[in-house]
Amino acid sequence: DQQVKQNSPSLSVQEGRISILNCDYTNSMFDYFLWYKKYPAEGPTFLISISSIKDKNEDGRFTVFLNKSAKHLSLHIVPSQPGDSAVYFCAASARGSDSWGKLQFGAGTQVVVTP
Amino acid sequence: GAGVSQSPSNKVTEKGKDVELRCDPISGHTALYWYRQSLGQGLEFLIYFQGNSAPDKSGLPSDRFSAERTGGSVSTLTIQRTQQEDSAVYLCASSPQIAQETQYFGPGTRLLVL
Repeated sequence: DQQVKQNSPSLSVQEGRISILNCDYTNSMFDYFLWYKKYPAEGPTFLISISSIKDKNEDGRFTVFLNKSAKHLSLHIVPSQPGDSAVYFCAASARGSDSWGKLQFGAGTQVVVTP
Repeated sequence: GAGVSQSPSNKVTEKGKDVELRCDPISGHTALYWYRQSLGQGLEFLIYFQGNSAPDKSGLPSDRFSAERTGGSVSTLTIQRTQQEDSAVYLCASSPQIAQETQYFGPGTRLLVL
């Protein structure tokens, strides 16, 4: 049962433009969301997170938006750079449950930034 | 400082053989997690350890999988009687405490079962 879904397996964007990555979840207990970035042959690295008490969190070029009623979050990268080419994973956890430490991950979105 | 390390980086084995995968977490991190990523899939939670508490094994796919963490540091994931469907990248992560969701990942072990 896939509780976190990233329906776009790939995204191609031109350098300097905005990249928008989408993520949907089904478990209403999820209250903390993270985005990880992964380069080939490396482990995922933490990028940005958001708590369910917020609807937006910004860190430099990266902004995450959360729509709790739609169970949807998105990651915006502005402006996109060639070094942003990677696989991006959405993840979620339920802090209030005994599943505290278990992150549920989406399948990932491959982003390719073209010159 | 040193990040999470895993060994071996690649492992090819024959169906039916046992394999052991090792994880060295970041020094001082009390929580340790194992995930696996099958081809084209997201990361699938397997097990996590927090200090001296009993591990949460709820993600282990079968009783062929087991893990231990000795001395609260190094962890070993063991797969007995490997099957072809066990082929995946096995990722280890650690965090300073279980309450911190931000997990720091190692590079993974790529397991191929022939």
